[in-house]
Amino acid sequence: ETGVTQTPRHLVMGMTNKKSLKCEQHLGHNAMYWYKQSAKKPLELMFVYSLEERVENNSVPSRFSPECPNSSHLFLHLHTLQPEDSALYLCASSQWKGDSSYEQYFGPGTRLTVT
Amino acid sequence: AQSVTQPDIHITVSEGASLELRCNYSYGATPYLFWYVQSPGQGLQLLLKYFSGDTLVQGIKGFEAEFKRSQSSFNLRKPSVHWSDAAEYFCAVVLLSGGSYIPTFGRGTSLIVHP
Repeated sequence: ETGVTQTPRHLVMGMTNKKSLKCEQHLGHNAMYWYKQSAKKPLELMFVYSLEERVENNSVPSRFSPECPNSSHLFLHLHTLQPEDSALYLCASSQWKGDSSYEQYFGPGTRLTVT
Repeated sequence: AQSVTQPDIHITVSEGASLELRCNYSYGATPYLFWYVQSPGQGLQLLLKYFSGDTLVQGIKGFEAEFKRSQSSFNLRKPSVHWSDAAEYFCAVVLLSGGSYIPTFGRGTSLIVHP
């Protein structure tokens, strides 16, 4: 595997279910991000981890719980979601440094449908 | 507050015609600038980025962008559009200082290509 991978690619879950999204990066980066992309809305940054520590949490509801066990893996644990949480969830990674090497690499996303 | 504006929600061009997608930013200092492309159901792919130096930046797939400090703009151009360029295009900015490397994305511009 190369780049940033996300599993599953599609997920349908009921509002009472618990599920997890997984992201893995094979680029040697030390920062990982979760974004939510809804139709007709801007890309929303949810969480940022740098060196496995959370550095950003943009007022995301507690029904979304991130986990970053190491610099290569990022999870998003989901429970008691609402229909408005249906969206494409994108994972990205980068080097956490302020020079010209900085750029984000995105995974293909998980299309989540909450029924 | 920092912001990125992509004023055009949709752009329609004929195949072979030239293209310009607009991006304006509002920051206290010159940020670092990026353009990404997203095909349907996919993650974002970096087209090009600007950090410093020559204000005309070349990217992949025949795209280029020009940074104009006086206009706070970073417009994306392509001299001849192909049908495969139909996608969503995102401008992003990041301030690579202060130890926080978190980008802000524009709302995106959807490019439609007519044969």
